Amino acid sequence: ETGVTQSPTHLIKTRGQQVTLRCSSQSGHNTVSWYQQALGQGPQFIFQYYREEENGRGNFPPRFSGLQFPNYSSELNVNALELDDSALYLCASSLGGGRRETQYFGPGTRLLVL
Amino acid sequence: QQQVKQSPQSLIVQKGGISIINCAYENTAFDYFPWYQQFPGKGPALLIAIRPDVSEKKEGRFTISFNKSAKQFSLHIMDSQPGDSATYFCAASKQGAQKLVFGQGTRLTINP
Repeated sequence: ETGVTQSPTHLIKTRGQQVTLRCSSQSGHNTVSWYQQALGQGPQFIFQYYREEENGRGNFPPRFSGLQFPNYSSELNVNALELDDSALYLCASSLGGGRRETQYFGPGTRLLVL
Repeated sequence: QQQVKQSPQSLIVQKGGISIINCAYENTAFDYFPWYQQFPGKGPALLIAIRPDVSEKKEGRFTISFNKSAKQFSLHIMDSQPGDSATYFCAASKQGAQKLVFGQGTRLTINP
C-alpha cells in the first residue's frame, strides 16, 4: 500500500451536477497529481499541485479545478458533469514538484455520471 | 496524440513462461520510463523504472530493456506466475515536467 488515500471510493452523479473528490497524500509528500482513467485506457494527466499552487495542467477544460491544502491533501472539483466524465479518478503523491520523482497512486474514486 | 504506444493490448502466457510487453515513444525529451501494475479496483503501483543512461534494469523477475535509438522499451517478466495477472502500463516523463504520459495498457493473464 502506498499510503495515499482517496474518498469516496464510488460516486454516482447526474449530468450537470458538481462533484468533489478528495485525496490524502503519502506522509512527507508535498505534491499531488490527478489523473483520469477511462475504462480500458491509461491514466490521463489532469493537473498537479505543489505546495498549494497549480504546477502544470493537462488538456482538460476549466470545469476541472483543484485545491491543495497546507497539509498537502488535495481536492478535485468537476462542475457541469458530462457523461464522458465517467471514469476512475486517481491521485498520485510525490515529493518535489516538477522533479523526476516517483509518483505513488491511491486506489482511485470511481465516478459514474448518468 | 498518442505519445506512448503500448503493445499488445492483451497477452496470455503459461505459468513459468516469459511475458513481454513493448512500448514505443515519440518525444526524445522523455528521460524517465516507469512501468506500473494495476489490479482490478486498485490504483497503479510502480513496478520498476529506468532512465536512458542504461540499456537494462533488472529487479527480481522483472527486467526493463531500453533502446534509445529506436525509442522503444520493454518489460520482461520471467517465470510468470498467476499472481502476475494484471494490467500493465508503461509511462514516460521528462525532467521538469509534471505529468506521466501513459500507454494504453496490456491485460496480462497467466494460465496455471
